[in-house]
Amino acid sequence: DIQMTQSPSTLSASVGDRVMITCRASQSISTWLAWYQQKPGKAPKLLIYKASSLEDGVPSRFSGSGSGTEFTLTISSLQPDDFATYYCQQYNSDSQTFGHGTKVEVK
Amino acid sequence: QVQLQESGPGLVKPSETLSLTCNVSGDSIQSYYWSWIRQPPGKGLEWIGNIYYSGSTNYNPSLKSRVTMSVDASKSQFSLKLSSVTAADTAVYYCARKIMAVGPIDSWGQGTLVTVSS
Repeated sequence: DIQMTQSPSTLSASVGDRVMITCRASQSISTWLAWYQQKPGKAPKLLIYKASSLEDGVPSRFSGSGSGTEFTLTISSLQPDDFATYYCQQYNSDSQTFGHGTKVEVK
Repeated sequence: QVQLQESGPGLVKPSETLSLTCNVSGDSIQSYYWSWIRQPPGKGLEWIGNIYYSGSTNYNPSLKSRVTMSVDASKSQFSLKLSSVTAADTAVYYCARKIMAVGPIDSWGQGTLVTVSS
């Protein structure tokens, strides 16, 4: 199985901050990686797919980068609506796996 | 715009089988891949498995021995059965859609909490 390791697990930030979340795969997944945002009591929402493609309707302050085993989600200027938990997911193999999540909280 | 709605018992006894159905509306069930994902309270997301509208499946290896997924295209529904449940199977269960076999999940149901308890 491909394991996904996210860091940090919690991130304290302020509105306007640049935020970066890292996801590492245990083996190469090319660019078959997605990022999701989840708010309490809600289903996750797709933000980024194929490592760097922005889903329709997602604000341009969100961006993704990376390939192989190292990936990054960047929020260029954190907004009040962005405090949430973020998950990466690899879908390279028949068995898909999620990272353990990064909670972005108010500093 | 596709809409997904999970339904099924909210309480299941240990050792019994958890059964959930996902109703698909707003788009055809055909030509897409359908997924189940779960999330224990306060924890992260766990992929359970995928099913294509034709009925082909692939499951999480850690759950494979207990999982069965099926699809009923005539009813625009797909289903999950998880056997021999324990308290560790208590979670919010989401049904979801993938547009491609190798693709992200682009649409999610609202989720349904299933508690395993006697």
